[in-house]
Amino acid sequence: DAGVIQSPRHEVTEMGQEVTLRCKPISGHDYLFWYRQTMMRGLELLIYFNNNVPIDDSGMPEDRFSAKMPNASFSTLKIQPSEPRDSAVYFCASSPRRGFYQPQHFGDGTRLSIL
Amino acid sequence: AQSVTQLGSHVSVSEGALVLLRCNYSSSVPPYLFWYVQYPNQGLQLLLKYTSAATLVKGINGFEAEFKKSETSFHLTKPSAHMSDAAEYFCAVRIGRGGSYIPTFGRGTSLIVHP
Repeated sequence: DAGVIQSPRHEVTEMGQEVTLRCKPISGHDYLFWYRQTMMRGLELLIYFNNNVPIDDSGMPEDRFSAKMPNASFSTLKIQPSEPRDSAVYFCASSPRRGFYQPQHFGDGTRLSIL
Repeated sequence: AQSVTQLGSHVSVSEGALVLLRCNYSSSVPPYLFWYVQYPNQGLQLLLKYTSAATLVKGINGFEAEFKKSETSFHLTKPSAHMSDAAEYFCAVRIGRGGSYIPTFGRGTSLIVHP
């Protein structure tokens, strides 16, 4: 079975540029999560969706960040304009229908470097 | 509110030695608990989960964890460390019955295995 697929795996760009990260969740999973991982702050939840609808975006750091899920098999996280402090590894995760015992399935992440 | 604390950001063991990674949680209701492992340049993978069926939970790669309600702990152990166990380990808690569906992750413990 295909897992969560993220692209690109690495992104290096200059400050001020728009960055788009992509995620394909596991088929049939109802929940999709975007996380950011840094040494300083650990793993932070940015936003999560249920059935393509954003449920909680309180973790999105600023208005420069936006996320969409136009259909059940695709989501994007955009940063515009990007800043050096956005450099981090961004993970997408999905999980099946509601059940507190359900684990999350993570993609391999996008390593983002803003110069 | 739910929280999780992982004691020790780094744990160093010799190959063949016992592995013990500590996790304590805070919850006013029975929790669901998870251990994830993250290998370099990869996403988090589920090692094992506690869902109240049994207090001793066995996971992949020879790891197990014991839920101790009186100590609010869910420590991860492995009798004999292997070089391939070197990775980052995360404990996560999710509270059912009216709690948030979003799990809370600990800061992670880096396991270093010496030959």
